[in-house]
Amino acid sequence: EIQMTQSPSSLSASVGDRVTISCRASQGISNYLAWYQQKPGKVPKLLIYLASTLQSGVPSRFSASGSGTDFTLTISSLQTEDVATYYCQKYDSAPFTFGPGTNVDIK
Amino acid sequence: QVQLRESGPGLVKPSQTLSLTCTVSGDAITRNSHYWSWIRKPAGKGLEWIGRVYTSGNSNYNPSLKSRVTMSIDTSRNQFSLKLSSVTASDTAVYFCARDRGPYCTPTGCHADDALDVWGQGTTVIVSS
Repeated sequence: EIQMTQSPSSLSASVGDRVTISCRASQGISNYLAWYQQKPGKVPKLLIYLASTLQSGVPSRFSASGSGTDFTLTISSLQTEDVATYYCQKYDSAPFTFGPGTNVDIK
Repeated sequence: QVQLRESGPGLVKPSQTLSLTCTVSGDAITRNSHYWSWIRKPAGKGLEWIGRVYTSGNSNYNPSLKSRVTMSIDTSRNQFSLKLSSVTASDTAVYFCARDRGPYCTPTGCHADDALDVWGQGTTVIVSS
């Protein structure tokens, strides 16, 4: 079973900073990776699918890249409304495991 | 616009079976070859994929829960369901239902895109006597 890891587990950055979150799969998953944002008490929101495609309606400050085992989510200019937990999820084949999450807050 | 809504008991006794239903509105559950999923989030922990079901009844489950999980789909009611047996306190969580993006086609062929783009609001289930 493929395991998903994320780093860092949490980060604190200033408004306007560039933020990068990493996600790693224990085996190659091609580009079958999604990124979700979950704000406290809210429903997870799909940000990115197929590793690098921005979901409709998601601000362009979000971008992502990667293939195989290593993936990255980038927020080019952190905003206060981006405070949330970010999860990656593999979906090359079941089980569609989520990463443990990265908590992002404002310094 | 398709919407999902979870329903079911908010309190379940230990050793009993947790039963939840997700009602799909705004589109037919049989349309466009979607898989329908369940995910949960225990307080203070991350998201856990429970499994998914297709309109044919085909399903995939998380191996860690497989022995206790059953998912089904009722196309006449536009609903799909989750049953989790022999629950314990560790099954206390917010349970979400969700829909995948469905198939997409490229010049090389059509493929499934299983990223979850539509989610229900979530329902809290507490396991306690």
